[in-house]
Amino acid sequence: EAQVTQNPRYLITVTGKKLTVTCSQNMNHEYMSWYRQDPGLGLRQIYYSMNVEVTDKGDVPEGYKVSRKEKRNFPLILESPSPNQTSLYFCASSPIAGGAYNEQFFGPGTRLTVL
Amino acid sequence: KNQVEQSPQSLIILEGKNCTLQCNYTVSPFSNLRWYKQDTGRGPVSLTIMTFSENTKSNGRYTATLDADTKQSSLHITASQLSDSASYICVVNQGSNYQLIWGAGTKLIIKP
Repeated sequence: EAQVTQNPRYLITVTGKKLTVTCSQNMNHEYMSWYRQDPGLGLRQIYYSMNVEVTDKGDVPEGYKVSRKEKRNFPLILESPSPNQTSLYFCASSPIAGGAYNEQFFGPGTRLTVL
Repeated sequence: KNQVEQSPQSLIILEGKNCTLQCNYTVSPFSNLRWYKQDTGRGPVSLTIMTFSENTKSNGRYTATLDADTKQSSLHITASQLSDSASYICVVNQGSNYQLIWGAGTKLIIKP
């Protein structure tokens, strides 16, 4: 089944404890992206990647890191999480051909709470 | 400033009734507009995309309209079902690449 998977789905952690949220897609998509979703604010892009080893900042990159060593994986790293990073996180992927006329396929989301 | 505003923020209707959700944008230049449906606790799923030259497009009981002159789009849901309860998000692309401006969404609740 074509899908985007994220792990973990739920995570409660404490301030300053490094964490990684994994994202993997099996559709051979070049484009991958991370979003956070907060009540009343809609989806905000954190980082995106147009292909392997190519990553760029989105609208809210502060406090996050990403890497794209393989086409299928795009992990999100929080080196020193803070309470303001408590949010619902989504990973998405899309083929490059056709640009933004292509829909993005989203993972199931990761609900992160930083105490 | 590029913005996408959706109204209403939330809406409650009875099962079987119709409803219309609005999306106004100030994004320029405009490439396309897409509507996503997001069930509670799930990732968004695309319903339809509207390009500059399209006025109306239907996907089952969902009909999207676009008025590029007034920069408005609407999503009309006919004969609502309980499964239509979700958030509906409008996103506008302002270029040929992934320059996406997301709306905050409309939360729709269908009551039996």
